[in-house]
Amino acid sequence: DSGVTQTPKHLITATGQRVTLRCSPRSGDLSVYWYQQSLDQGLQFLIHYYNGEERAKGNILERFSAQQFPDLHSELNLSSLELGDSALYFCASSTQDRGGTEAFFGQGTRLTVV
Amino acid sequence: QRVTQPEKLLSVFKGAPVELKCNYSYSGSPELFWYVQYSRQRLQLLLRHISRESIKGFTADLNKGETSFHLKKPFAQEEDSAMYYCALSGRSTDKLIFGTGTRLQVFP
Repeated sequence: DSGVTQTPKHLITATGQRVTLRCSPRSGDLSVYWYQQSLDQGLQFLIHYYNGEERAKGNILERFSAQQFPDLHSELNLSSLELGDSALYFCASSTQDRGGTEAFFGQGTRLTVV
Repeated sequence: QRVTQPEKLLSVFKGAPVELKCNYSYSGSPELFWYVQYSRQRLQLLLRHISRESIKGFTADLNKGETSFHLKKPFAQEEDSAMYYCALSGRSTDKLIFGTGTRLQVFP
């Protein structure tokens, strides 16, 4: 158990809908990273938050948004869902805002858009 | 800033040596990691170059001249079958940059 909790584990929804994925980082970790893992594209970095502030954006679509709350949990919002959004969404946490430290991953949320 | 894993799939027989390749580009002093993912489960840190340790028989040496961080194991086991991701971080980046991953298949 890495200490990073993601809910829900599985999500099935229809195209055009909106979903929210939740991540609770390890106790004491201020950084949260979101990644998308699809079958043909490996791990794609989406966004990084540190202590409530956005620090870096990757290949995140405009239909997607995220935030980190004062209690440090984070939510990834996906809207106007398309079939191609079906993927595993991982969050990871670490202690620092800059690199050089290990990131601990959650079990992921498997999103299926039908 | 980039991590390249040239092989999508590496298949070996049990007992054979394994080398998973990783090359990187980074301005400055990078931190390099290998993560392993079994059957689409969570990614787990396998090893990091700074600790210079061997985990489950795997080792990796950072070669700054060749900008490589290849993962090696002298004798593969069936339970090593998994996805392996090389990752890079450092003081001048706000994220952990992953390669595209290499699937290792170890046949009995």
